[in-house]
Amino acid sequence: DAGITQSPRHKVTETGTPVTLRCHQTENHRYMYWYRQDPGHGLRLIHYSYGVKDTDKGEVSDGYSVSRSKTEDFLLTLESATSSQTSVYFCAISDSETGDQTNEQFFGPGTRLTVL
Amino acid sequence: AQKITQTQPGMFVQEKEAVTLDCTYDTSDPSYGLFWYKQPSSGEMIFLIYQGSYDQQNATEGRYSLNFQKARKSANLVISASQLGDSAMYFCAMRDGGDSSYKLIFGSGTRLLVRP
Repeated sequence: DAGITQSPRHKVTETGTPVTLRCHQTENHRYMYWYRQDPGHGLRLIHYSYGVKDTDKGEVSDGYSVSRSKTEDFLLTLESATSSQTSVYFCAISDSETGDQTNEQFFGPGTRLTVL
Repeated sequence: AQKITQTQPGMFVQEKEAVTLDCTYDTSDPSYGLFWYKQPSSGEMIFLIYQGSYDQQNATEGRYSLNFQKARKSANLVISASQLGDSAMYFCAMRDGGDSSYKLIFGSGTRLLVRP
């Protein structure tokens, strides 16, 4: 199994509070991703990183920011949480240095976030 | 725009029978990859099988095979000899070859229930 951990695994917070989710990998993969999973929508990309300090927006980036100061860590921050951000958040990594399309993404265990 | 469609929200199959989960995709890029992931009730995302757009043969991995029909833009997952442990959500995903982010676009998923 790919070495990906997410913390916390569960969190309940209140509307308006800041929240930071952490993704940590031990695989030294270049690419890291944050997705959210909601019923009826599958997984949707929030932000991704293609290297240290290199990040870009995904499909549903509003209300989220990310940072990557080290290869192994990718942080997702909700500056002011809203109830619409209640979701399951998955981190994923990919080793796509060669551009080999067969490189699948490996997923972390997920973080269940509830915003009251 | 890239899009993945899974039209079966839920399906039943009898244990030991084969089942086909449908997936259609839309992309204008001639180079792309198609993935299937399994998500059991425990929540983790498990990579099952990959098909490249230029692959000449349908992909197979154990009891999983991918019925790839390029002209129809479909990439259906076939599970042979279903087992109780196959009960899970199944997601089809696509990655465009021209997308430097290597991100995945997911369908909304199909929940499969295997009956004993």
